[in-house]
Amino acid sequence: DAKTTQPPSMDCAEGRAANLPCNHSTISGNEYVYWYRQIHSQGPQYIIHGLKNNETNEMASLIITEDRKSSTLILPHATLRDTAVYYCIVRAMDSNYQLIWGAGTKLIIKP
Amino acid sequence: DAMVIQNPRYQVTQFGKPVTLSCSQTLNHNVMYWYQQKSSQAPKLLFHYYDKDFNNEADTPDNFQSRRPNTSFCFLDIRSPGLGDAAMYLCATSRVEGNTDTQYFGPGTRLTVL
Repeated sequence: DAKTTQPPSMDCAEGRAANLPCNHSTISGNEYVYWYRQIHSQGPQYIIHGLKNNETNEMASLIITEDRKSSTLILPHATLRDTAVYYCIVRAMDSNYQLIWGAGTKLIIKP
Repeated sequence: DAMVIQNPRYQVTQFGKPVTLSCSQTLNHNVMYWYQQKSSQAPKLLFHYYDKDFNNEADTPDNFQSRRPNTSFCFLDIRSPGLGDAAMYLCATSRVEGNTDTQYFGPGTRLTVL
């Protein structure tokens, strides 16, 4: 079973920051938080991952709460091309390489 | 650019007729995965190779087999496709580094079973 809970859908205006929440209250100390997205009819795309510290790359920022029970993916300036299903996944290296996918959040960017 | 390539992008087969999907990678990753994704569902792992070691998920049907002849290529064989096997099949690769790895996905092959 998925270890994460995400809202099923969200809207965001083009050019604004999209903030996607994820709850992972049962996360273990050795589990990382990964974010992927899947644009319609394409393969999933890796976005970012982190363990304890906040992370930023060219695509997004990942904010992890101090107790690590939740996180937020931030797309700083959303564009129409960011419309996709966003998956938050927690994973440990001893998990037999399994990514346990939840239902994800359908993010719709509106002009 | 280094990438994960899947061929064909669309495959049509007949009920019971064997079909092979292919995946290649230029990332030199040591782990390769096959996922099945049905409409409006999350991807479901079928199996993976860690180098030459094959790891089958417990609930993967025997109808699905895989081959990895070398580091770059991996094949998914469906011996007798049923209507329920119509889905998107995703190949992914990763390199284990330290205590983490990141999976990179190909564009997928959409399989239709007539």
